[in-house]
Amino acid sequence: QKEVEQNSGPLSVPEGAIASLNCTYSDRGSQSFFWYRQYSGKSPELIMSIYSNGDKEDGRFTVQLNKASQYVSLLIRDSQPSDSATYLCAVSGAAGNKLTFGGGTRVLVKP
Amino acid sequence: EPEVTQTPSHQVTQMGQEVILRCVPISNHLYFYWYRQILGQKVEFLVSFYNNEISEKSEIFDDQFSVERPDGSNFTLKIRSTKLEDSAMYFCASTLRGGNTGELFFGEGSRLTVL
Repeated sequence: QKEVEQNSGPLSVPEGAIASLNCTYSDRGSQSFFWYRQYSGKSPELIMSIYSNGDKEDGRFTVQLNKASQYVSLLIRDSQPSDSATYLCAVSGAAGNKLTFGGGTRVLVKP
Repeated sequence: EPEVTQTPSHQVTQMGQEVILRCVPISNHLYFYWYRQILGQKVEFLVSFYNNEISEKSEIFDDQFSVERPDGSNFTLKIRSTKLEDSAMYFCASTLRGGNTGELFFGEGSRLTVL
């Protein structure tokens, strides 16, 4: 059974601070890694993707992948109240696009 | 910006009734998916579809479920005889590229409530 694990939170951060989210996965054959943001009652929205070890930055978001440790993280810098949402880690394997999602980490940014 | 559209946004049905959920994927995308999310739980893969056939399906996707691409734009999910446990948000997704580099784009979802 391929698993993706996340701390459910809530992760409470003050406005302007850095939010740090972690995700571990069980399938060593996983090839692609994604972070989605999901507001309550809404659909997942892709915010970051990464395919090789290392860091990738886009605006206030940085994703880090460590395949040896089977670990992928998301940093949100200068957190804003609008960043309050559930962040879903998703992983796909070598065979195709099928995504396995973690349970999500709820982030609360307090003004 | 192109988007995946889904209808209906919310459907209430009686147990045992048939339900069809509709999706219009992004026009140049080639790979299509259905996922579901039971309230408070993980997003779960149901089925993937490429070149007019199912490419992969999960254990959830049993004989009560079927998918179809009846024309060049629509992609449907049919549940033949709904059960209470089918109550969930159903998300359609599409992507241009296959393999493991395609980024999935999700529709806004169809909430199904089975009474």
